[in-house]
Amino acid sequence: SQKIEQNSEALNIQEGKTATLTCNYTNYSPAYLQWYRQDPGRGPVFLLLIRENEKEKRKERLKVTFDTTLKQSLFHITASQPADSATYLCALEGDSSASKIIFGSGTRLSIRP
Amino acid sequence: KAGVTQTPRYLIKTRGQQVTLSCSPISGHRSVSWYQQTPGQGLQFLFEYFSETQRNKGNFPGRFSGRQFSNSRSEMNVSTLELGDSALYLCASSSGPQGNQPQHFGDGTRLSIL
Repeated sequence: SQKIEQNSEALNIQEGKTATLTCNYTNYSPAYLQWYRQDPGRGPVFLLLIRENEKEKRKERLKVTFDTTLKQSLFHITASQPADSATYLCALEGDSSASKIIFGSGTRLSIRP
Repeated sequence: KAGVTQTPRYLIKTRGQQVTLSCSPISGHRSVSWYQQTPGQGLQFLFEYFSETQRNKGNFPGRFSGRQFSNSRSEMNVSTLELGDSALYLCASSSGPQGNQPQHFGDGTRLSIL
């Protein structure tokens, strides 16, 4: 069955460093991959979408890579700030018109001053 | 532009009761998806409605149902509530069918079953 895993439940990073979060998937060939940020008590907020034919996408301090051979996506936050502390979710959807969207369990990122 | 609105924000019910949750999508969005979020299972897809038709359905029992109205507003109903139904229920809208479109989430309805 399809499976999606995010590298760790929690990640602690010193302010100013680059945070790297990992999303791995198996038994799956997603056409798209999305990253979301979720703050406590709030709904997820969309950050970036990357397609299977794209290797990398950037938005301000954020960068996402998508390696369909390794079945892995990396999410980077450069020059991290305490305000970046949140839970980050990756989500995959298959390329079938009847597919469903699957979310990873999330990585809780803490940026310490 | 107003975001996705979910009502109510909090709800307490007892086992065996039924509940209806409401979601108003972003204006112009025709796709509405529902998710259940729990600490143990994470964010799980319930179903998606697009132009009043259920397009996709997740692996949930028939007690979970939904519908979408002509103005794209959506409701989700859970009948015969069980303790395990306690969760944060999130609604998300997008301009097109779920897939290559960002999902815009509301802040959810926190449902507690006693």
